Amino acid sequence: GENVEQHPSTLSVQEGDSAVIKCTYSDSASNYFPWYKQELGKRPQLIIDIRSNVGEKKDQRIAVTLNKTAKHFSLHITETQPEDSAVYFCAALTGGFKTIFGAGTRLFVKA
Amino acid sequence: NAGVMQNPRHLVRRRGQEARLRCSPMKGHSHVYWYRQLPEEGLKFMVYLQKENIIDESGMPKERFSAEFPKEGPSILRIQQVVRGDSAAYFCASSPLQGGEETQYFGPGTRLLVL
Repeated sequence: GENVEQHPSTLSVQEGDSAVIKCTYSDSASNYFPWYKQELGKRPQLIIDIRSNVGEKKDQRIAVTLNKTAKHFSLHITETQPEDSAVYFCAALTGGFKTIFGAGTRLFVKA
Repeated sequence: NAGVMQNPRHLVRRRGQEARLRCSPMKGHSHVYWYRQLPEEGLKFMVYLQKENIIDESGMPKERFSAEFPKEGPSILRIQQVVRGDSAAYFCASSPLQGGEETQYFGPGTRLLVL
């Protein structure tokens, strides 16, 4: 069935270092891949997304890469700051317009 | 432009009662999704609706749970005869899903506690 795997489940980095979160998806018809950030007790908020006709997209300190052949995509956060600490979810929009989320990565940025 | 609205934000029910959760999508959005999130866990897809139609309910339990999105008014997720295991945060999201715009925007969630 449709599935999105996300790794690692927990990531701890020093302030200023980079953080990388990786996801794989199963539905080859997926063509839209959003990333959400969720702070404790809050709603998930979109931070960046990528469509299948693009291999990489960057927005300031955040970048996402997509490899459609291998069916995996990654989130890169550079120069991490304590306020980047949150849970990050990758997701894939399936051919049936259903969004499947990864299990989440809890990112800790130590000052 | 108001965002996705959900109410109530917190709901306490005793076992066996009914829980009714409401979601008003963003203006212009005709697609609504419901997700369940247990503490320390991810977002589990429950159901996807368009106005007056259920498109995909594959993530929703067959018993006790139902969802609707009427022509007028909010989308409603209804849980009958609640049990302790229903305690969770329930998020809805809306999307225009047209013109190449697939992004889902989330509401603040309803936190259901079953005593």
